[in-house]
Amino acid sequence: ELKVEQNPLFLSMQEGKNYTIYCNYSTTSDRLYWYRQDPGKSLESLFVLLSNGAVKQEGRLMASLDTKARLSTLHITAAVHDLSATYFCAVDRNSGNTPLVFGKGTRLSVIA
Amino acid sequence: GAVVSQHPSRVICKSGTSVKIECRSLDFQATTMFWYRQFPKQSLMLMATSNEGSKATYEQGVEKDKFLINHASLTLSTLTVASAHPEDSSFYICSAPPGGRMTNEKLFFGSGTQLSVL
Repeated sequence: ELKVEQNPLFLSMQEGKNYTIYCNYSTTSDRLYWYRQDPGKSLESLFVLLSNGAVKQEGRLMASLDTKARLSTLHITAAVHDLSATYFCAVDRNSGNTPLVFGKGTRLSVIA
Repeated sequence: GAVVSQHPSRVICKSGTSVKIECRSLDFQATTMFWYRQFPKQSLMLMATSNEGSKATYEQGVEKDKFLINHASLTLSTLTVASAHPEDSSFYICSAPPGGRMTNEKLFFGSGTQLSVL
């Protein structure tokens, strides 16, 4: 059974600070996805990581994937209040028409 | 714009009422759709896989007689919560693989339905 573990589950950051969210998964997969969810809303796709060593950046967020370690990171640089949300990583069960398995999510709160 | 349309966005109903949620793929065909449920402050948990023209497959612990899924066409899947009770109150999100659309996304997600059963 594929398991996806995220940590931390809760994160309170000061504006301007840096931090990293970690996502570990239990079985071989070359594809990992990061999403953002605001309260009462559905998921917003942030990053699609498709191979070992993949690194993608968008604004203050950068995601990376190490398939050998079965680890992905989401790094936040110089946090701002607008980044407050819940962040989920998700892993493919398999290729093809299969669902994603989600981590428990990291609730990020950026405070002044 | 949205490629998966989900309606309604919010339902408030009395206990014992049946509630239908629709999920449509826009401009692409979805032979498979996935229904997730999210309780407050928790993650998304897969409930069932909806297959066009055949029976849905349910995850362990999900009652197939309570959560009725109908995937009658290549663009529409419906989830009916039969005789809803307060413990069914949750955020329901449908999703579909992109089919022939050129994308690296694994799934497109609907906007979600917040069900509140009084």
